[in-house]
Amino acid sequence: NAGVTQTPKFQVLKTGQSMTLQCAQDMNHEYMSWYRQDPGMGLRLIHYSVGAGITDQGEVPNGYNVSRSTTEDFPLRLLSAAPSQTSVYFCASSYSKLPTTGRNTEAFFGQGTRLTVV
Amino acid sequence: TQLLEQSPQFLSIQEGENLTVYCNSSSVFSSLQWYRQEPGEGPVLLVTVVTGGEVKKLKRLTFQFGDARKDSSLHITAAQPGDTGLYLCAGARGNAGNMLTFGGGTRLMVKP
Repeated sequence: NAGVTQTPKFQVLKTGQSMTLQCAQDMNHEYMSWYRQDPGMGLRLIHYSVGAGITDQGEVPNGYNVSRSTTEDFPLRLLSAAPSQTSVYFCASSYSKLPTTGRNTEAFFGQGTRLTVV
Repeated sequence: TQLLEQSPQFLSIQEGENLTVYCNSSSVFSSLQWYRQEPGEGPVLLVTVVTGGEVKKLKRLTFQFGDARKDSSLHITAAQPGDTGLYLCAGARGNAGNMLTFGGGTRLMVKP
């Protein structure tokens, strides 16, 4: 039972380089999100998606792009890496709602990608 | 802007002691969740509280949602070294788990 899988686990980039952080889930969740975690700041929402073909910006979207061509995959692209993007990135997925209660807010997280931009 | 304020940021206690972590906001949330995160791992859900005034117990952990659904607390009784970790509260607006607002976290260390 893989759950949410993120690759790579670690990455070092030079300023100005671009790269894609991969995220895949096998739980058939409609909703997927990207967060970044910085010391003392909890997790902050970068982008999210409510289904294939639908994405929207979160709290800190600048410098990042996303797309959602399939239900399973939600890659995060760094267009031109900056030292301020040094962080731990988490992908999460969730159901839109439970059939029993009509609501669900539990998010399942991947193990994270630790990115350093030098 | 941190919409959810967690306190304390750090807590170091001896095994057997009790502790309370607070999560406060000026905003109303439809539900509030508590996660625990181990080093090198993603957060894992402990509990979701939905109704104002709701209290949930998970073994030695007691979670409470404020009457106005703006704040929450986590109380641990007789802490054990296995409770060591980062505790995060997260507020949800609406019914979806894709847009969570997280607090800054409380890093707990329980010494044997």
